[in-house]
Amino acid sequence: TQLLEQSPQFLSIQEGENLTVYCNSSSVFSSLQWYRQEPGEGPVLLVTVVTGGEVKKLKRLTFQFGDARKDSSLHITAAQPGDTGLYLCAGYSGAGSYQLTFGKGTKLSVIP
Amino acid sequence: KAGVTQTPRYLIKTRGQQVTLSCSPISGHRSVSWYQQTPGQGLQFLFEYFSETQRNKGNFPGRFSGRQFSNSRSEMNVSTLELGDSALYLCASKKGADHYSGNTIYFGEGSWLTVV
Repeated sequence: TQLLEQSPQFLSIQEGENLTVYCNSSSVFSSLQWYRQEPGEGPVLLVTVVTGGEVKKLKRLTFQFGDARKDSSLHITAAQPGDTGLYLCAGYSGAGSYQLTFGKGTKLSVIP
Repeated sequence: KAGVTQTPRYLIKTRGQQVTLSCSPISGHRSVSWYQQTPGQGLQFLFEYFSETQRNKGNFPGRFSGRQFSNSRSEMNVSTLELGDSALYLCASKKGADHYSGNTIYFGEGSWLTVV
């Protein structure tokens, strides 16, 4: 079973601070995705990274895929209350895999 | 365009009963997958269907089953409910068969199941 470990599990910060969330595995993933889930809703895809070492930016969010494709990070600059939510990383283990494995998530609270 | 629609949104069942949850994917999407979300275990993959064929099944007991119809709508069924089956059940759809960049997965809002 492919496992994705996310850290930290909980994060509470003040508006304007920076933060980084990590997603690690001992297994190689063909691609990794990051989702954000708000209470009462399903997860919404933020980004997909497929190439080792890839960096993608989405406004104040920066996503990085590790060179060995076993880990990823999400960095948020100048966090805002609207960033509050559950951040989930998920990955497909191989080209023929149809099973998306999720980390348990990082619950982020941004205090105004 | 309409998103992924799941029904019912909330339901309460008694131990030993069975439940059927429904998912209507985005129009044109042929892949439907199901996930169970609990505070302790997070999101866990149940199964995935493409063009009425189950392509992959997660590590869940046989009490959990599903199917997909010719119009891509999907149902999942849980028989002989246990207290531990209380969870948010999420359905997701995507257009194509593979998971490469551009084939975005869209989740529904989920069905909240409480077993008492």
